[in-house]
Amino acid sequence: QSVLTQPPSVSGAPGQRVTISCTGSSSNTGAGYDVHWYQQLPGTAPKLLIYGNANRPSGVPDRFSGSKSGTSASLAIIGLQAEDEADYYCQSYDSSLSGYVFGTGTKVTVL
Amino acid sequence: EVQLVESGGGLVQSGGSLRLSCAASGFTVSDNYMSWVRQAPGKGLEWISVIYSGGSTYYADSVKGRFTISRDYSKNTLYLQMNSLRAEDTAIYYCARVPRGFEYFQHWGQGTLVTVSS
Repeated sequence: QSVLTQPPSVSGAPGQRVTISCTGSSSNTGAGYDVHWYQQLPGTAPKLLIYGNANRPSGVPDRFSGSKSGTSASLAIIGLQAEDEADYYCQSYDSSLSGYVFGTGTKVTVL
Repeated sequence: EVQLVESGGGLVQSGGSLRLSCAASGFTVSDNYMSWVRQAPGKGLEWISVIYSGGSTYYADSVKGRFTISRDYSKNTLYLQMNSLRAEDTAIYYCARVPRGFEYFQHWGQGTLVTVSS
């Protein structure tokens, strides 16, 4: 059961900027819990892309950036590349569920 | 280097049971929070269970009362006992490491496929 809402798909030409939104509620993102982002390439396991709203793990290109304000968060890909074509998921913690929640997922297509 | 390797998936009839294992290397399972996340075919990610370093366990409503998460310190392995399986439990099951004190899944295994036939 997905509690965080994302757009089903976004697309852009190589080099363009795309953003993915992630909207939660008062028991998760609105309660101050951080948002994290994952990239899932076709046929592979998810990979941590952004943690703590805006931090990149070692090895993640700086064209990926994250932000959070209130109940919403965003992932931006600046300078889209062909290898960025994947599914992207946001994730947070939900106090009412005492567990973790994922977004509905967004498919990024490079035109 | 951190590695997580799941095993134990397969085909099982509705109502049956299965136990998944997740062998960890490069860190100590019991010092971290460990979780199971699943992904039904063509669907999104669903968190299903966590075991904290202190031993507390939590479950998603969809599996509560049917699944049990546990760990073995000597084998540095995480488990998921799945009982009363249903067709809707068909999914790839991933184990994931959550650094203690944090809330994100830092490392993931490659996943193991569970298929429940009705």
